[in-house]
Amino acid sequence: DIQMTQSPSSLSASVGDRVTITCRASQSVISYLSWYQQKPGKAPKLLIFAASSLHYGVPSRFDGSGSGTDFTLTISSLQPEDFATYFCQQSYSTPWTFGQGTKVEVK
Amino acid sequence: EVHLVESGGGLVQPGGSLRLSCAASGFTFSNYWMTWVRQAPGKGLEWVANIKKHENEKYYVDSVKGRFTISRDNAKNSLHLQMNYLRAEDTAVYYCARADTRYVQYYLDSWGQGTLVTVSS
Repeated sequence: DIQMTQSPSSLSASVGDRVTITCRASQSVISYLSWYQQKPGKAPKLLIFAASSLHYGVPSRFDGSGSGTDFTLTISSLQPEDFATYFCQQSYSTPWTFGQGTKVEVK
Repeated sequence: EVHLVESGGGLVQPGGSLRLSCAASGFTFSNYWMTWVRQAPGKGLEWVANIKKHENEKYYVDSVKGRFTISRDNAKNSLHLQMNYLRAEDTAVYYCARADTRYVQYYLDSWGQGTLVTVSS
C-alpha cells in the first residue's frame, strides 16, 4: 500500500498569511494526487485534482504542485473560511490512501 | 446539481450487519465510478471501496474484504454497502462519493453528508 504523510499535522496562522502544506508518498504516484478541505461536521470538499488542477469553483488562492512523491498545497492569502483540515489522497493504485490531515487553526 | 444522500446508518452489535444506501441525483449515475469513504470519530479519512460504472469491477481496503460488499443499481441511481461481521473498529461516518476522471486520473468531486455507523454492545 502507498503511505501518504502530511506535514505539519497542524499549524497556526493568521488571515492573510501564506500557508504551505506538504504531502509525501511512500512511492511515486506520478500526479494522481488530490487535495480536500474538511470543516467540522461536514463532508470533505475537493480542492485540487491531478496534483495541480483547480476544481471548479475553488478560489484561485489555492494552488497545488508537485509530482512523483512530493506534493504541496499552498494557500496564498489565508481567508477566515479557510480554517479547516486538509487531506491529500492518492488514486494511483488501490487501496486509495489519504494523508493523516493537516489542521489549519487560528493563531 | 449533484446530490448524494446516504442512509442506513445506526447502532449495531459486534458481529451484526447493516446495509448502507446512497441515493444519487443531478447526474448520469451510470457514467461514474462510485466510492465509499469512512471516518472514525476524531480521525482521518479512510477509503473503503470502489465500484466501476457497470459493477464489473470492485475494489476494497484489506480490512473490509470478505465482510463488506459494494454494489450499485444504475436503474435506481443508488449505491449500496452491505456490511457484515461488523467490528468496533468499523465505527465511523460513512460517506459515498462520486469518482470523476480527467487525464486518466480519478478524484472524489462530490460527497454525501455521511451516515454514522456505531458498532457497540
